[in-house]
Amino acid sequence: KAGVTQTPRYLIKTRGQQVTLSCSPISGHRSVSWYQQTPGQGLQFLFEYFSETQRNKGNFPGRFSGRQFSNSRSEMNVSTLELGDSALYLCASSSGLANHNEQFFGPGTRLTVL
Amino acid sequence: QQQVKQSPQSLIVQKGGIPIINCAYENTAFDYFPWYQQFPGKGPALLIAIRPDVSEKKEGRFTISFNKSAKQFSLHIMDSQPGDSATYFCAASNPGSSNTGKLIFGQGTTLQVKP
Repeated sequence: KAGVTQTPRYLIKTRGQQVTLSCSPISGHRSVSWYQQTPGQGLQFLFEYFSETQRNKGNFPGRFSGRQFSNSRSEMNVSTLELGDSALYLCASSSGLANHNEQFFGPGTRLTVL
Repeated sequence: QQQVKQSPQSLIVQKGGIPIINCAYENTAFDYFPWYQQFPGKGPALLIAIRPDVSEKKEGRFTISFNKSAKQFSLHIMDSQPGDSATYFCAASNPGSSNTGKLIFGQGTTLQVKP
């Protein structure tokens, strides 16, 4: 079974720009969660999508948004980029069903904001 | 109450040693506790996970010990190898509610196993 794929792997943007990151979950998985990883704050939950609906949301500003498509692929968007948005953005795939909690992470997208 | 506190921040052991990483939580609603291993340039990989109804779980050289009354859990790596050198994260979640999928992570422990 193919793992979680994320594209692109690396991105360099400038302040004020916007960016869209993509995640393809493991085949059959319906839940995609997004996390931000930084040296200072560690791994922080952004949001989770299940069956095209946002099921949970972390404490990030509205500049961070996401969506999920009918094939379970997900995208996250960050608008008006700030220097502090530089991070590794990880998506995690799971079945999304109750008591089946294993989440499998992709390799991440390394975003650098200049 | 949503925090998971992990210690130590870094750990150095000799090959064959048994590193122990500890985590503590406050939210008694948490009922799923996974451990992840992350190598540089890679995403975290699920190592082993436990639920509060058991006190210990082993998978290969990795063991989780769980103390529900103390709200603590720990990872032990038996017969550690240089290839185990990585960053380890504990996490917790409450998938029984609408929080399914939301993992709260500890701060991470960087482990170095010397040959």
